[in-house]
Amino acid sequence: EDQVTQSPEALRLQEGESSSLNCSYTVSGLRGLFWYRQDPGKGPEFLFTLYSAGEEKEKERLKATLTKKESFLHITAPKPEDSATYLCAATLGSNYQLIWGAGTKLIIKP
Amino acid sequence: KAGVTQTPRYLIKTRGQQVTLSCSPISGHRSVSWYQQTPGQGLQFLFEYFSETQRNKGNFPGRFSGRQFSNSRSEMNVSTLELGDSALYLCASSDTGGGYGYTFGSGTRLTVV
Repeated sequence: EDQVTQSPEALRLQEGESSSLNCSYTVSGLRGLFWYRQDPGKGPEFLFTLYSAGEEKEKERLKATLTKKESFLHITAPKPEDSATYLCAATLGSNYQLIWGAGTKLIIKP
Repeated sequence: KAGVTQTPRYLIKTRGQQVTLSCSPISGHRSVSWYQQTPGQGLQFLFEYFSETQRNKGNFPGRFSGRQFSNSRSEMNVSTLELGDSALYLCASSDTGGGYGYTFGSGTRLTVV
């Protein structure tokens, strides 16, 4: 069964404390792996798309990487405004659906 | 440019009623996808419309339906509401669909009592 699993469910960090969020996937024919950020009461906001193993993308304090089985979202020296739920999703070669993980709720304490 | 607009933002309905939600995509975007988001199930795909045609459908009962108009605006209808339909309903627009280039609206929070 095609599945996307995120860990941990929640992560509390001190401001400036770097860490990584994990997204593992078991999908056949992966076409793209996506990361989104969602703030309370809002829709998800697009961050990155990764297409092939070894690919990396960066935006400010965030860097996303992709292997054949998982993706990591590395956050370097986070600030309180980075607090949000981070979602990953995978799209398959067979159809146009996105399969979503349950998300990691990230809390950065000042 | 204007973002994705979903109306209404909040709705309270009674079991057995029906409801229609609206989504206006970004100008020029031809694809609109609908998702249900609940704390227990996360984001679940409902359906995608592209140029007025339903291109893909998730595993939801027939009570959930949608349509897209020639101006790309989309509506989603839920008939015979159940308590379990309480959720945040999100629409996402993109030029090509297929999960690429999604811009989400802020959603409609539906509460069924």
